[in-house]
Amino acid sequence: DAGVIQSPRHEVTEMGQEVTLRCKPISGHNSLFWYRQTMMRGLELLIYFNNNVPIDDSGMPEDRFSAKMPNASFSTLKIQPSEPRDSAVYFCASSPTKHEVADTQYFGPGTRLTVL
Amino acid sequence: AQTVTQSQPEMSVQEAETVTLSCTYDTSESDYYLFWYKQPPSRQMILVIRQEAYKQQNATENRFSVNFQKAAKSFSLKISDSQLGDAAMYFCAYKKNFNKFYFGSGTKLNVKP
Repeated sequence: DAGVIQSPRHEVTEMGQEVTLRCKPISGHNSLFWYRQTMMRGLELLIYFNNNVPIDDSGMPEDRFSAKMPNASFSTLKIQPSEPRDSAVYFCASSPTKHEVADTQYFGPGTRLTVL
Repeated sequence: AQTVTQSQPEMSVQEAETVTLSCTYDTSESDYYLFWYKQPPSRQMILVIRQEAYKQQNATENRFSVNFQKAAKSFSLKISDSQLGDAAMYFCAYKKNFNKFYFGSGTKLNVKP
């Protein structure tokens, strides 16, 4: 069974450009999470979806960041315009939710974003 | 508010020895979940072990075990017979039903041959 799939694995872009990160959750999982990891701030939750609906986006840094989940098998995180301080590793994770029992999060391999 | 504290930024252990990583958390809830994740240099976040708060028995996965003290809000990870492949960042995490995860700042574990 394939795990969480993220693309691209590495992205180098110039300041001001639009960046789109992609995630395919594990089939059957109905919660999806986007995280950002930096040395300074550690692992930060940006947004999470349940059944394709954004539940908590309080971690999204600012309006330059947006996330969508058009269906159960795909999500995007977009940064427009990108800035050097956005350089980080971005993780996507998915989780099955069974009735009222929350389960483990399974992480993708991450996308290392470098904004020059 | 839920917070997770890992007070040991870095630890070292000799190969084949035992090491314990500490984690404390703050919550007013009685039903929740706790996790330890491992992040090797490859950056992949790997689940090591999980514990349901309603279970009094400490979780165990091969060489990994936890010491869950609910009243003290403590959740430490013990790694027995440490191996070179155990070298990684270890993150403690808390989650309540349907709510987001809260991660600690991580502990870097070095394993000396």
